[in-house]
Amino acid sequence: AQKITQTQPGMFVQEKEAVTLDCTYDTSDQSYGLFWYKQPSSGEMIFLIYQGSYDEQNATEGRYSLNFQKARKSANLVISASQLGDSAMYFCAMRERLNRDDKIIFGKGTRLHILP
Amino acid sequence: GAGVSQTPSNKVTEKGKYVELRCDPISGHTALYWYRQSLGQGPEFLIYFQGTGAADDSGLPNDRFFAVRPEGSVSTLKIQRTERGDSAVYLCASSLTGGRGETQYFGPGTRLLVL
Repeated sequence: AQKITQTQPGMFVQEKEAVTLDCTYDTSDQSYGLFWYKQPSSGEMIFLIYQGSYDEQNATEGRYSLNFQKARKSANLVISASQLGDSAMYFCAMRERLNRDDKIIFGKGTRLHILP
Repeated sequence: GAGVSQTPSNKVTEKGKYVELRCDPISGHTALYWYRQSLGQGPEFLIYFQGTGAADDSGLPNDRFFAVRPEGSVSTLKIQRTERGDSAVYLCASSLTGGRGETQYFGPGTRLLVL
């Protein structure tokens, strides 16, 4: 079973609109962290936002916010007021600790296209 | 340099050859990670170093893959008897201490092509 599921392989959004990228995860660990990364066509991975499993508030970083619903095991990324430069691949990732080993697992990504 | 650097940026080799990929993490970062990203996929975890030791190497696909970090800074990923299926972008990342919530800073990757 996949640990991180991103159900939207591609999305097209009009510039200035808000966009939600879906991510669900699967873990039996009580303590874990969730990340979102952006990968433009140039290939570098850019950290966007982090949410710890015990954090009570949803994480926010500028135009990025993470809609964390622990009971549903979802960690959707919300980008407000989208810009053309937001066009990229977006990856959801989880770090869990099982049996004293840390594992970092990425989803397959969502390709976001912002339309002018 | 300020960021994570990786060399070479591109590597073309023939099936069966040996290759070494180098990662230079951000100075002072004790945690170092290797990932492999195949076309159209997310990065796949390979190995995690804490200092000089491999804290988790469960992502290495088989015994042809090996990584070292002898002095706790630069790391080398070594692939023996390369196969066409090893073609991918190999990404390296580092973080300050390896704490769960820490940001991992990625290098630009090495694009490996096995002919």
